[in-house]
Amino acid sequence: QVQLVQSGAEVKEPGASVRVSCKASGYIFTTYGISWVRQAPGQGLEWMGWISNFNGQRTYAQKFQGRVTMTKDTSTSTAYMDLTSLRSDDTAVYYCARVNTYNRQDGFDVWGQGTMVTVSS
Amino acid sequence: DIQMTQSPSSLSASVGDTITITCRASQSIDTYLNWYQQKPGTAPKLLISIASTLQSGVPSRFSGSGSGTDFTLTVNSLQPEDFATYYCQQRYSPPNTFGQGTRLEIK
Repeated sequence: QVQLVQSGAEVKEPGASVRVSCKASGYIFTTYGISWVRQAPGQGLEWMGWISNFNGQRTYAQKFQGRVTMTKDTSTSTAYMDLTSLRSDDTAVYYCARVNTYNRQDGFDVWGQGTMVTVSS
Repeated sequence: DIQMTQSPSSLSASVGDTITITCRASQSIDTYLNWYQQKPGTAPKLLISIASTLQSGVPSRFSGSGSGTDFTLTVNSLQPEDFATYYCQQRYSPPNTFGQGTRLEIK
């Protein structure tokens, strides 16, 4: 079945970096992009950006420009999200989601299970 | 950035009721509007895309409508499993912003 499986929970100190992975299966990886969405405890959903189908073009939310890098490895069907200079307000569940970045009619139809990132000294 | 505003922020209803959630965009987004359902401790689930297209497997008691800046999600004959938080999201242009969410609770 189509699924996205994310890496496990992380605890980081302020100023550190974190990498979250998202392994896809059950579909042709290159026909969809991957978006990253985070959710702070008790809060709503926040779109961070995406890496597109096919050519891997990246689009980031302004808020995260300079701190986030999204990549993908097509040989392993895995997407990665790196976030640097972590602060306490980066504590959140980070989700990856499948998206056709070239067709605005599509929603984010498959989601990973989420990865809890805790930033604390 | 396009701002998405949902109302109400929370809602209490009973099993069997019909409820409506509204989502308003800060500018026209045509029909590039999705609705998601999220239950505690789980990832969001896509219910409706392009304002009114029900995803496969989603019960027909869910429906969406609207275009431009004003959209609605309606749930007819609420079932116990429908009590959750609902989010709208625009896909008109990046960043693909979400509404702040509407928490639907059992009365």
